[in-house]
Amino acid sequence: EVQLLESGGDLVQPGGSLRLSCAASGFIFSTYAMSWVRQAPGKGLEWVSSISTSGYNTYYADAVKGRFTVSRDNSKNTLSLQISSLGAEDTAVYFCTKDPIAGAPLGVFEYWGRGTLVTVSS
Amino acid sequence: DVVLTQSPVSLAMSLGERATINCKSSQSVLYKSDNKNYLAWYQQKPGQPPRLLISWASTRESGVPERFSGSGSGTDFTLTISSLQAEDVAVYYCQQYYSSSRTFGQGTKVEI
Repeated sequence: EVQLLESGGDLVQPGGSLRLSCAASGFIFSTYAMSWVRQAPGKGLEWVSSISTSGYNTYYADAVKGRFTVSRDNSKNTLSLQISSLGAEDTAVYFCTKDPIAGAPLGVFEYWGRGTLVTVSS
Repeated sequence: DVVLTQSPVSLAMSLGERATINCKSSQSVLYKSDNKNYLAWYQQKPGQPPRLLISWASTRESGVPERFSGSGSGTDFTLTISSLQAEDVAVYYCQQYYSSSRTFGQGTKVEI
């Protein structure tokens, strides 16, 4: 059974940084592209970032480019998102997602974790 | 970015009725090289993460009830729930994966 468990969400001050993690299990992690999608309270879904199987190729939404860094550790089945220069607009639940097809990133979010909440406030 | 506009924003239906949600893209998401529409639909129930219902505009995911169907091509797409059930109360989102900058529609809330 595919499981994605996010952690690392917290209350952080504007301008601060945080590192989110996603522990994956139930599939061969190294063969699937992964992504982060966020959802502000009461709002819709927003794609944040994706990463290829090797981690060599990374993709970002314009809203986070230059502030967020996605990475993965295939030896530990872990996906990470380093987020910095945070503003109120970054307050959201951050979901870890898995692509449906092994190989190159497709950008369909087949499996989702339950998310981790990042709150940016002074 | 590819902008997806869903209509209506909300939908109040009766049990057993047919529900139709539209998704219009600012540009075609039909990839000519493989003749596939790079569009997906998700369902999100309160307090839960989204669930993938349909990919490639019309391919139902495993375990998704047959009352859910997707149609359309190019820039205009539709998610249809043929006979609304109580458990279908949710927000539905379309999403394009044609562009490397993935985008979602703003969501359609379905109520009974």
